[in-house]
Amino acid sequence: GAGVSQSPRYKVTKRGQDVTLRCDPISSHATLYWYQQALGQGPEFLTYFNYEAQPDKSGLPSDRFSAERPEGSISTLTIQRTEQRDSAMYRCASSFAQGNEQFFGPGTRLTVL
Amino acid sequence: AQSVTQLDSQVPVFEEAPVELRCNYSSSVSVYLFWYVQYPNQGLQLLLKYLSGSTLVKGINGFEAEFNKSQTSFHLRKPSVHISDTAEYFCAVSGESGYSTLTFGKGTMLLVSP
Repeated sequence: GAGVSQSPRYKVTKRGQDVTLRCDPISSHATLYWYQQALGQGPEFLTYFNYEAQPDKSGLPSDRFSAERPEGSISTLTIQRTEQRDSAMYRCASSFAQGNEQFFGPGTRLTVL
Repeated sequence: AQSVTQLDSQVPVFEEAPVELRCNYSSSVSVYLFWYVQYPNQGLQLLLKYLSGSTLVKGINGFEAEFNKSQTSFHLRKPSVHISDTAEYFCAVSGESGYSTLTFGKGTMLLVSP
């Protein structure tokens, strides 16, 4: 696509529910990143993919968080048993290759009640 | 480990006045430095970046930044701001080796008033 898209743009869920966030990167981009941005903070790295490989998931805050990119294109970020502290903006970015400029999507605002 | 400090959470300024948004970083390795801007309801957009070479970097919309290695700073400047520059600005750093995950500061909200 022309830019990075994310869906949904807003998600409200109840504590304990599972949520899945989607990122559709720029079509020619090999590398995809996920960031979490809490209110009043800058984005923090969660994980990244080179095509379908996930070399680093050290930023995932707990084992309730997981990400996939099974065909090297669209990626999903799943949070199981959500907690109020998971409330944040979740940002996806893609780049042509590792080390190139990252292009960010509009983000998904997650609110856990 | 790397970190970025943006000391000013908000910077109010009048239209056509100059502005400087401060950014300091710490890193044990050589770094690349970036400024991103976020307009309401939009994603982060790259303003400018320092990779190597000239320490004065020019970006889009008339912004520029100067890399100062001795002071570990990368302040963003614009000589005359417009109302449309109202946005949140993020300074970020990445290491030269390996992949390019970004470490961001907390952001500075630039508020331009008439």
